Amino acid sequence: GQQVMQIPQYQHVQEGEDFTTYCNSSTTLSNIQWYKQRPGGHPVFLIQLVKSGEVKKQKRLTFQFGEAKKNSSLHITATQTTDVGTYFCADLSGTYKYIFGTGTRLKVLA
Amino acid sequence: DTAVSQTPKYLVTQMGNDKSIKCEQNLGHDTMYWYKQDSKKFLKIMFSYNNKELIINETVPNRFSPKSPDKAHLNLHINSLELGDSAVYFCASGQGMGSPLHFGNGTRLTVT
Repeated sequence: GQQVMQIPQYQHVQEGEDFTTYCNSSTTLSNIQWYKQRPGGHPVFLIQLVKSGEVKKQKRLTFQFGEAKKNSSLHITATQTTDVGTYFCADLSGTYKYIFGTGTRLKVLA
Repeated sequence: DTAVSQTPKYLVTQMGNDKSIKCEQNLGHDTMYWYKQDSKKFLKIMFSYNNKELIINETVPNRFSPKSPDKAHLNLHINSLELGDSAVYFCASGQGMGSPLHFGNGTRLTVT
């Protein structure tokens, strides 16, 4: 079945540094969503990408969908301590079936 | 107002017991899901229901039985609990295919 891998698995950054997580799939991605899960919390929807090459921004967050729809990325500029958490991508793989990526845990050191 | 609520928040039980987790959403969504998150934070889909009908059963042991009495509720009953069932179980809802998922706060199940 489809596998959605994210790299890196863990990332520690100093506050103010940039951060990027990559989402790669063994098959063509159809509809990518990104979620953030704070420690002890539940996943919260951030954004959705549908079109090849699409780029969307939310304040310091930039989301990209690869041209070949095999990968996606989330980039955070100038991280803050509030960015701490696990970031997941998720692909719509079939009817009502969202496959989540393996996640990237971000720690921000003040 | 809580959009997707799960009870209980914590569940500690012994191997072999049977337990249930309840989920309710007040968003008017048609689709509800159960996800399992293990200790490595991997989120795996277990079931999805659309308008009370089972759509996805992702090779989950038949000790797990979901029930959707109406489209606002999706409960999960687990028989003969095993150590490997220890995880956080998340309920989620969405409005149609391709729409964002709204997650509940999770139920942390510990089997001893």
